[in-house]
Formats: sequence, structure tokens, C-alpha cells
Amino acid sequence: QQQVKQSPQSLIVQKGGISIINCAYENTAFDYFPWYQQFPGKGPALLIAIRPDVSEKKEGRFTISFNKSAKQFSLHIMDSQPGDSATYFCAASMGGVDNFNKFYFGSGTKLNVKP
Amino acid sequence: NAGVTQTPKFRVLKTGQSMTLLCAQDMNHEYMYWYRQDPGMGLRLIHYSVGEGTTAKGEVPDGYNVSRLKKQNFLLGLESAAPSQTSVYFCASSPWHEQYFGPGTRLTVT
Repeated sequence: QQQVKQSPQSLIVQKGGISIINCAYENTAFDYFPWYQQFPGKGPALLIAIRPDVSEKKEGRFTISFNKSAKQFSLHIMDSQPGDSATYFCAASMGGVDNFNKFYFGSGTKLNVKP
Repeated sequence: NAGVTQTPKFRVLKTGQSMTLLCAQDMNHEYMYWYRQDPGMGLRLIHYSVGEGTTAKGEVPDGYNVSRLKKQNFLLGLESAAPSQTSVYFCASSPWHEQYFGPGTRLTVT
């Protein structure tokens, strides 16, 4: 059973447009929601993360929107650039020492920003 | 700081052969993880470690073994490789919450 569901699987956006990737989860014990960016041939790298006590977090052109009641969170990339073309993964983890900081990843979204 | 490094970068194995993947981190992190990445399936946790001398099973542990004899190293072993283990393997380390990933090992089993 997949703990974190991510959509869409792939996304094509024109340069300057807004890219939106969505994730949904079931386990209300999750308390940390990161987004990772992965370029071909590289390992994933943390892009931005949010905790459930805030509804939005912004870092430059990247924004996470969090809806606790709907158990959904999304990544918005404003003014998308060709350099943003990569695969994006959402993830969730639970607090508490007994959970060992295990991440549950979404299946990934391949973003292609057309020049 | 090198961060998280993985050895080797690429490997081709025949069915039934064995190998060990090495992960090393120089950030003094307690937690280390091994994932496999397959198309359309995201990253799936194989095994993890919460400190030197400790290991535990993740989501997909069958066919793999691990060891963490030193805090900075986490080894992933395949005793008898199968074509289903063809994948890209990532190691990660973490102080807590944020996980730092290595560059990956692409393994092909023929």
C-alpha cells in the first residue's frame, strides 16, 4: 500500500509558466513533508520542506501548499525555467525516535519545461 | 566535505553472483538508509541503520543484507543476484529529518 500518492506522473510546462505537482497521504501521524529534486544521473536533493503547523512555505520560486484537513500538499514552481526540468519526489515522515526518520516517497513527477 | 559517496557507480552482474555496495558519509550522521529506485515506483527503502552496529529491514529487504561496522560506512550486499535486482541504488544519511543522498549505483543483473 503506497503511503504517499503523487500526481501527475509527467508534466510539460512552457518557460515562464507555473508547474504544480500534487501529493496525498493517509497517515495523520506524518509530521514532515519534504520535496526532493533529482536531475538525471544524480541523487535526489532536498528542495523545500514543510511541517503541518503551517499552510504554506515559500523559498524563491518554489512554494509548498499544505492542506491538513484534506491530507494533501503540493509543490508550485513559479516562472518555470528549462533548468527546472528534473524529476520531483514528495515524501512524508513521522516524528518520534521509534520511527527512525523513515521516509515514504511518492512515485515521482518528471517535469519538462519547454523553452 | 564529500557528503555521501557510493562505490561503485556502475556494475553488471550475472545471475547468481554476489557483490557489495559501499556507502560512506563524512557528516557524522547517525541514520543511514539504502533505497532502490525503479521507474514509476519512486524510492523504496531496503534497509536502514540508526547507529553503528545496528540495522533494520525496510520495505523491500528480501535478497539483500547490510552491515554497519563503522558509523561512517553502510554496506549493502547481494548474496545471489537476480534480474529483479536490476535497479539504481541510493544511499542516504541523516542527522534527523533531512536525508542527504549519494550519487547512486546503477546495477544491471543479466
